[in-house]
Amino acid sequence: EAGVTQFPSHSVIEKGQTVTLRCDPISGHDNLYWYRRVMGKEIKFLLHFVKESKQDESGMPNNRFLAERTGGTYSTLKVQPAELEDSGVYFCASSPDRALRTYEQYFGPGTRLTVT
Amino acid sequence: AQSVTQLDSHVSVSEGTPVLLRCNYSSSYSPSLFWYVQHPNKGLQLLLKYTSAATLVKGINGFEAEFKKSETSFHLTKPSAHMSDAAEYFCVVSKFYQGTGTASKLTFGTGTRLQVTL
Repeated sequence: EAGVTQFPSHSVIEKGQTVTLRCDPISGHDNLYWYRRVMGKEIKFLLHFVKESKQDESGMPNNRFLAERTGGTYSTLKVQPAELEDSGVYFCASSPDRALRTYEQYFGPGTRLTVT
Repeated sequence: AQSVTQLDSHVSVSEGTPVLLRCNYSSSYSPSLFWYVQHPNKGLQLLLKYTSAATLVKGINGFEAEFKKSETSFHLTKPSAHMSDAAEYFCVVSKFYQGTGTASKLTFGTGTRLQVTL
C-alpha cells in the first residue's frame, strides 16, 4: 500500500510569490489533515478535511492560505502571497473512514518551504 | 484545551543503555496519547498509542509507554538503545471521539532529539 505522498519535497520562493503544495493521501482515506512546523517551534495543526469538506480549519493562520480537496482525493494548499514567516515544513496526514475505528494518522514526508 | 510538554529537547544515550523520553500532558477530556518518531528525511511514524485501554502500551521497535493519570505523564522508554533509534520523537495528544472511534486534530510537543552514541 502506497503511503501519503507530498509534492514538492522542497520549494524555495521569494516573498510575494505564490506556492502550491500537494498531498496525495492513502487511497480510500476519507480524512486528510495539514500540519506545519515552523523552525524552532512545534508541529501545529492547520486543517482537517473529511472527503471534500472542511471539518476543522481552526489552525489556518490567515487568508493567504487556501486549502482544497477536489473530489475528496488529493489536496492542495496554496500560499498567496508568501511571507517570510511561512517558511517551514508542511506535513500532510490521512486516516481511514470513521467507521473503521482507527486512531492513527499516517504522515507524509513533508514539504520544506523556504521563503526568501 | 489540551497540550503536551516534552521535558527534554535533547537526550543522549550510549548504545545498549536504557532510553527515557519524558512527556507530560494536559487535557480537559479523556485523552488519546501517541508517540511519533521522525527519522531524517522521513515522514512521521507512529510508535505507539494509548486510547483508554491498557495503561502500559507496547509499540514498535521495543518501545513502550505508561499512561499515568495521577502524574499526567506518558513517558517513552526502551530497555536498550540501538544506533537506529537516533531520531526526533514527538509526544502527541488528541481528543478521542468515543462515538466515532477516530482522533481529532493532533497537538504535538516540541520534540525530543535522541542521540545514540557508541
